[in-house]
Amino acid sequence: AAGVIQSPRHLIKEKRETATLKCYPIPRHDTVYWYQQGPGQDPQFLISFYEKMQSDKGSIPDRFSAQQFSDYHSELNMSSLELGDSALYFCASSLRGQGNTEAFFGQGTRLTVV
Amino acid sequence: DAKTTQPNSMESNEEEPVHLPCNHSTISGTDYIHWYRQLPSQGPEYVIHGLTSNVNNRMASLAIAEDRKSSTLILHRATLRDAAVYYCILRDANNFNKFYFGSGTKLNVKP
Repeated sequence: AAGVIQSPRHLIKEKRETATLKCYPIPRHDTVYWYQQGPGQDPQFLISFYEKMQSDKGSIPDRFSAQQFSDYHSELNMSSLELGDSALYFCASSLRGQGNTEAFFGQGTRLTVV
Repeated sequence: DAKTTQPNSMESNEEEPVHLPCNHSTISGTDYIHWYRQLPSQGPEYVIHGLTSNVNNRMASLAIAEDRKSSTLILHRATLRDAAVYYCILRDANNFNKFYFGSGTKLNVKP
């Protein structure tokens, strides 16, 4: 079965550069979530989209933006990168439900800012 | 948002049952109780969820207290591959887009 695909898997950027992370949800899934997980930390919710509209926003820095496209894939854009942005970034997708649907996570993108 | 409280860590012996507790005393009537786990260097993985009744699936069982203020994830026979961080998460039926992780339980399984 198709899973959530994230690209790239690894990314190295320098401070003040920009990065774009991509997420391809499971076919027919209409909801996408983004998370940031620092070393030894729990996943922190960044933002979610439903049917290409932003639906919830968490602790996402103003330097970050995201969108969901017509084909339901999503991109997380990160500008003016800082050393503290080094983390694993996970994307998840699900079908809209009433709180009773499971979410499927990708393998993550490991971003290293040097 | 309703919060959950879990022990930081637990230890189990291989092939023995494991009971992972979660307290959610401020749970609302529309909150579903979800459990996810995260194996080292992997994305979180769905385990099980429930609303009021106990639930079983191929991975685990979920026991929900009658007042819904707590729940227990039960792994019937722990294996070394079950070593992971387990997260108990409340998801509101009226706002499914809220999907926040708290601090989970790190399960160590001894051979």
